[in-house]
Amino acid sequence: QTVVTQEPSLTVSPGGTVTLTCASSTGAVTSDYYANWFQQKPGQAPRALIYSTSNKHSWTPARFSGSLLGGKAALTLSGVQPEDEAEYYCLLYYGGVWVFGGGTKLTVL
Amino acid sequence: QVQLQESGPGLVKASETLSLTCTVSGGPISGDYWSWIRQPAGKGLEWIGRVYKSGTTNYNPSLKSRVTMSIDTSKSQISLNLSSMTAADTAVYYCASDLGYWGQGILVTVSS
Repeated sequence: QTVVTQEPSLTVSPGGTVTLTCASSTGAVTSDYYANWFQQKPGQAPRALIYSTSNKHSWTPARFSGSLLGGKAALTLSGVQPEDEAEYYCLLYYGGVWVFGGGTKLTVL
Repeated sequence: QVQLQESGPGLVKASETLSLTCTVSGGPISGDYWSWIRQPAGKGLEWIGRVYKSGTTNYNPSLKSRVTMSIDTSKSQISLNLSSMTAADTAVYYCASDLGYWGQGILVTVSS
């Protein structure tokens, strides 16, 4: 069974930079995994941020960026805002099947 | 602005089949594929499966034996059927498009 692993929690100061990662139990994550990233705030539906590793949706703030880093998919927030406090999920593609990571709770403190 | 709205019963009895519909409004049903995702209270997201505009489907292997998805482009609707429901299937169910749009979700509770 494929497992996608994210940091359970991270803390960042306002204005700072933080990188969230997404690892696959099958090995290094490449562009073939078409990594997606989502943000979810309490009581709300998830909001799509990044698709196909590094592409932003029209509504994605410029401070969010996606990349591949050290064999993992990564989401970097630069100039973190208080409203970025949320749960973040990655989603990886495995040849027709998609698997979510367990989520990272990002605290802005 | 494209909007997705899930609809269906909020309460299902154990062993019965859940039937949900996702209606797309605000524009023609666009994008190549549509997914269903669920989230038990206080837990993470689980991908259930997706249906292509052509009708081709892919399902989560752990749910494959119980899931059926379909699409009706003329009605701008995507459907999900999940059979043999148990308490473990209690969750908020979301539909989403490959273009990044998500519905608000519908809470489905399984009663014994």
